[in-house]
Amino acid sequence: DQQVKQNSPSLSVQEGRISILNCDYTNSMFDYFLWYKKYPAEGPTFLISISSIKDKNEDGRFTVFLNKSAKHLSLHIVPSQPGDSAVYFCAAIRGSGGYNKLIFGAGTRLAVHP
Amino acid sequence: GAVVSQHPSRVICKSGTSVKIECRSLDFQATTMFWYRQFPKQSLMLMATSNEGSKATYEQGVEKDKFLINHASLTLSTLTVTSAHPEDSSFYICSASETSGVGGEQFFGPGTRLTVL
Repeated sequence: DQQVKQNSPSLSVQEGRISILNCDYTNSMFDYFLWYKKYPAEGPTFLISISSIKDKNEDGRFTVFLNKSAKHLSLHIVPSQPGDSAVYFCAAIRGSGGYNKLIFGAGTRLAVHP
Repeated sequence: GAVVSQHPSRVICKSGTSVKIECRSLDFQATTMFWYRQFPKQSLMLMATSNEGSKATYEQGVEKDKFLINHASLTLSTLTVTSAHPEDSSFYICSASETSGVGGEQFFGPGTRLTVL
């Protein structure tokens, strides 16, 4: 039972344009969402997050939107740069027993080409 | 930022052997460490959570006798895959957190690719 889904395994965007990565979830108990970026041979690194009490969080070129009614969130990167080419993971937190139990999506590979 | 290393990065072993994977936090003390597994085209799945000096808490469906986790110090956790079989071939990745409470950021290692022949 996949609670966090990233239905697009890959995305190709031209440099300078907007990249939109989507994520859907099924568990309404999730209260915190995160995006991670992963380069080859490296571990995922935290990119941006959003609390379920908000619908938007912006950090420079990165903006995350949350639509709770649709159980959908998206990451917007604008303008996209070649260095943004990586795998992006959406994750949700289900707090239990005091630990951060991260539930991940399968990832979307973003390729930004000149 | 905080650095987490894993060793080895890649290992190939014969069926029936045991493999140990190390996870180290290099510049901070990791109160809590997490072990994940990722099969091809699937998401990272949490296997277990461990606090230093305590027994690991395993997720449902993960065999604790097969995946032995030791978190003996605040900078080192090990995952031993015992009597490995081809279906254990996967990408294993650890993360570490300075706190054990909700809200502690997790820093990820680069992962270990295990192939069991």
